[in-house]
Amino acid sequence: EVQLVESGGGLVQPGGSLRLSCGASTFTFSTHAMSWVRQAPGKGLEWVSAISSSGGTFYADSVKGRFTISRDISKNTLYLQMNSLRVEDTAVYYCASRGDGKYYWGQGTLVTVSS
Amino acid sequence: DIQMTQSPSSLSASVGDRVTITCRASQGFSDYLAWFQQKPGKVPKLLIYAASTLQSGVPSRFSGSGSGTDFTLTISSLQPEDVATYYCQKYYGAPWTFGQGTKVEIK
Repeated sequence: EVQLVESGGGLVQPGGSLRLSCGASTFTFSTHAMSWVRQAPGKGLEWVSAISSSGGTFYADSVKGRFTISRDISKNTLYLQMNSLRVEDTAVYYCASRGDGKYYWGQGTLVTVSS
Repeated sequence: DIQMTQSPSSLSASVGDRVTITCRASQGFSDYLAWFQQKPGKVPKLLIYAASTLQSGVPSRFSGSGSGTDFTLTISSLQPEDVATYYCQKYYGAPWTFGQGTKVEIK
C-alpha cells in the first residue's frame, strides 16, 4: 500500500524558514502530480501548492513568492521550502499525490510559527 | 479559478437516515473529485476519489456520484461514528480547491 510520509515540521519564529519533505513508497514521482495542503487550527482545508508530473509548479496566492515546491525524483521525495514565515502559516501540512488513477494522502506534519 | 461550493454547511439527521451532501463547481471539470471525512482532532480521511471510487477500507454505506459541475456524497444509513465534517476537493488543474465543509451531527 502506498504511504506518504511528511517530515520537517516544527516551531519557527516569524520571518524564519523551514523545509518540509514528503517521501513515498511504491510509485514513481515522475508519473504523479503532487500537492501540499494545510489546515490551520480550527479552520478548513486549504490547498497550498502543486507540482505536475512534468514539473510545472503552482501556488496559492497566500504563499506565492514565499514558498517553493520541488521534488527529487531519484529520492522519490517532495519538498516545500517555506521562507518568510508568518504566524498565519501555522498549520498541519499534508502532502497528496495523484496518479495511476489513484489519489493518496499523508498523515501531516505540524508547523508552528510563533515568537 | 474554479470554486467549489458545498451544501448544506451543516445537517442533523437520525441514525439510519440517508444523508446527501452536494458539491457544486463553478465550472465543469473531469471527475478528479474527492471526498474527505474529518473527525475532531483527527487527520482527514480520504473516503472517495475519482468522484465515485471508494477508498479501500471505507464502509460501503458511503458512495459518491456526479460529473461536470455537480457531485454528491451519500451516506446510505447514518451511523453514530459518521459524526464528522466532510469536505469535497477537486484535485486536477491548480488550484486543487476544497469545499468549505459540511458538519454532520446526529439528531
